[in-house]
Amino acid sequence: EVQLLESGGGLVRPGGSLRLSCAASGFTFSSSGMSWVRQSPGKGLEWVSAISNSGSTYYADSVKGRFTISRDNSKNTLYLQMNSLRAEDTAIYYCAKALRGIFITFDYWGQGTLVTVSS
Amino acid sequence: QSALTQPASVSGSPGQSITISCTGTSSDVGVYDYVSWYQQRPGKAPKLLIYDVSNRPSGVSNRFSGSKSGDTASLTISGLQAEDEADYYCSSYASSITLVFGGGTKLTVL
Repeated sequence: EVQLLESGGGLVRPGGSLRLSCAASGFTFSSSGMSWVRQSPGKGLEWVSAISNSGSTYYADSVKGRFTISRDNSKNTLYLQMNSLRAEDTAIYYCAKALRGIFITFDYWGQGTLVTVSS
Repeated sequence: QSALTQPASVSGSPGQSITISCTGTSSDVGVYDYVSWYQQRPGKAPKLLIYDVSNRPSGVSNRFSGSKSGDTASLTISGLQAEDEADYYCSSYASSITLVFGGGTKLTVL
């Protein structure tokens, strides 16, 4: 059974940093493209970042230069380093597995971790 | 890249069919057959319903179907059931190597 378990969310002040993790199991993590998708409270979904199985990275314009996606295939874990956080980054952050390729379609999602940016 | 346009809400009675539209541009929906649809129930993660415009993953009911014409994709749910009440999101691969989502549609089963 595929499982994606996010962690690392919490309350952080504007300008602060946070590192999210996503522990994966039940599939060949090293062969899969992975993404982070966020959802602001009561709002829609927004793709944030993706990483290919070979480590190529992609970012939404809204986070480019502030967020860094990475993966450790030996630990089956996906990461999102978030710096210079803003109030508008407040959201539930989901880890998602690509059906194929890098990030066109997501066949499995984690339950999400809440990030709140507030003073 | 702007979000895809979906109606904020749709409704239907049990047994009826409803269609949710998802309008993009010639930079996303209009040029790529990489439209996906997701169902999200309150407090839950999204669930994949349709990928590549009209393909259903195994385990998804054949009451869900997808199509595309020009810059607009559509999700049709036939034989509406109470359990279909949820939020529905479309997404499309877009130029400049990005992925865009629709704003979401709340489906109410009357």
